[in-house]
Amino acid sequence: GQSLEQPSEVTAVEGAIVQINCTYQTSGFYGLSWYQQHDGGAPTFLSYNGLDGLEETGRFSSFLSRSDSYGYLLLQELQMKDSASYFCAVSLEGDYKLSFGAGTTVTVRA
Amino acid sequence: EPEVTQTPSHQVTQMGQEVILRCVPISNHLYFYWYRQILGQKVEFLVSFYNNEISEKSEIFDDQFSVERPDGSNFTLKIRSTKLEDSAMYFCASSEQGAMNTEAFFGQGTRLTVV
Repeated sequence: GQSLEQPSEVTAVEGAIVQINCTYQTSGFYGLSWYQQHDGGAPTFLSYNGLDGLEETGRFSSFLSRSDSYGYLLLQELQMKDSASYFCAVSLEGDYKLSFGAGTTVTVRA
Repeated sequence: EPEVTQTPSHQVTQMGQEVILRCVPISNHLYFYWYRQILGQKVEFLVSFYNNEISEKSEIFDDQFSVERPDGSNFTLKIRSTKLEDSAMYFCASSEQGAMNTEAFFGQGTRLTVV
């Protein structure tokens, strides 16, 4: 099976930078995705890393180190609307599903 | 923007009853999924569907669950005899390719409450 670990909660102020780490243990690792979920609504895709390195999409960036079985999501210039749960999810070779971590609740304060 | 739609948004049912949750995936997508999320917990994979058959299912997806694509647009999840522990948010998702390396689009979910 797979296991993913990410912090349960993070609190930060508007304009700050937050890094959410995700470590995983799995065989046949293919890629790491990040999803955002507001108040139990639809998870929405943020980013995907299949190769080592940094992927930047606007204020959000994601990083992967396959050798360390580690990735992170970086949220920059935090806004109140970024208050949500953030999930890392692994996908495996030859597999079509996502296996999600427990999620990190990010609370942005004024 | 194309989206995955799910109906109903809420469903309350009595234990032992059958429920059917409905989904309309994005039209040019080929892979379909059902996930569930028990309140306050992580999103859990139930089943994936490709080329009119189940491609993978989890341990949760036991004999009381079934999926169907009855026509070219709908994708349904049936729970034959609901149990209290089936109470959860059920999300349908679709992707152009398998979710290995591409974005999965999720619907808004059906909140199922079994009483």
